[in-house]
Order: sequence, then C-alpha cells, then structure tokens
Amino acid sequence: GQNIDQPTEMTATEGAIVQINCTYQTSGFNGLFWYQQHAGEAPTFLSYNVLDGLEEKGRFSSFLSRSKGYSYLLLKELQMKDSASYLCAVSGAKIKAAGNKLTFGGGTRVLVKP
Amino acid sequence: DAGITQSPRYKITETGRQVTLMCHQTWSHSYMFWYRQDLGHGLRLIYYSAAADITDKGEVPDGYVVSRSKTENFPLTLESATRSQTSVYFCASRVTSSLTGGELFFGEGSRLTVL
Repeated sequence: GQNIDQPTEMTATEGAIVQINCTYQTSGFNGLFWYQQHAGEAPTFLSYNVLDGLEEKGRFSSFLSRSKGYSYLLLKELQMKDSASYLCAVSGAKIKAAGNKLTFGGGTRVLVKP
Repeated sequence: DAGITQSPRYKITETGRQVTLMCHQTWSHSYMFWYRQDLGHGLRLIYYSAAADITDKGEVPDGYVVSRSKTENFPLTLESATRSQTSVYFCASRVTSSLTGGELFFGEGSRLTVL
C-alpha cells in the first residue's frame, strides 16, 4: 500500500517563502509529483522528481530524498494568486506497467495574506 | 484543442438512481483515470484504464462501473447512487514522458449531489 502525509493548512505573507513537506511510504517508487489546485478547479501539474535533489522551476522548487521518503515544495516570492491547495502524489509503478497510477496525499491548503 | 472534457459538470440525483458521468479526451492518451475528491480524503482513485477494453479497480471501486470501448471515452456509472457518493469526480488522462514523469491532465470535474 501507499501512505502519503502532508500538512492540512499553512498561512504565509505575500512576498515570503513557504515550504510544504510531504512524507510517503510506498511499495515501489517511480516518481513524486506536485499539483496545484485552486478552489473549484481541477489540479494542474507543477513538478516531477524521480531522482534525489532539487528541481527548480521559476518561483517554485521541489526537492526529493528517496532514502528518507521525503519531498518538499518551496514557493518563493509568494503572490496572492498562489493561494491554493498543493497536492503531493506518488507513482508506485513503472510508467509502462499496468497499475500506472498516482496516489495522492490529502493536500495542503496555502493561504497567502497581504 | 479541447483536451479532456467531462459531462455533466453538475448533477443532482436521488438515492437509488443510476448516474453516468462522461469523460472524453482528444489526445489519444492510453491511460485514463477516475478520482473522487472529498474533504478530508483528498483525491482517491476509483478505476483506471490502461487502454481500450482494459480496466482495473483503484482504491474505492465499490458501487461504480466503468467501460472503455474507445480510447477517447471513459464513462463512470453509479449503478444505484447513495448519499456517500456525493462528491466531486475528476477524470484524468496520462501522457507517458520521461521528462515530466507522465503527468496527469484533469478534466474540470463533475460535482454530484445524491439526495
């Protein structure tokens, strides 16, 4: 089975930095994803990590440590539009095998205040 | 470029009725998925499909039926709706890519209320 944990809610100030942690326990691992979901909308892809280390994409960065079963999403220079839920998801199967599915954590709601 | 579309976007039904949620994608992605999203549970996988005529259960399949006679369509049927199936349902398809790891593309969601 798979277990994915992330904090329920975080609050930060516009212009600041916020780090959203995600820990996972999975049977097999083939990558970790972060998605952003604004209220009432569908999730959209933010980042993908399969090897240890930091992946940077503009104001957003994602880090992975496979040995620790740990990832974080770093949001820099926060803007009001970053208020959303951030979903951590793990792929437990190789991409071309049957069972090519993602398991999601409960999501972290980030509220950006002026 | 429509991408992935779901219908209906909103549906109110009564306990015991059959409901079908439609999902259509224009990319010819092999993999398609149905998730439900509830407060406190996040996104939970109901069923998925690796290709036409190949489907399999996810985490919460009870009370649901799927079919996939064509690559582009993946309907989800609630055979006899219950109040516990009140939820937001998301259909998704997955592209295979070594660069992005095979990200999911989601439809806009179908909000179902069972009275």
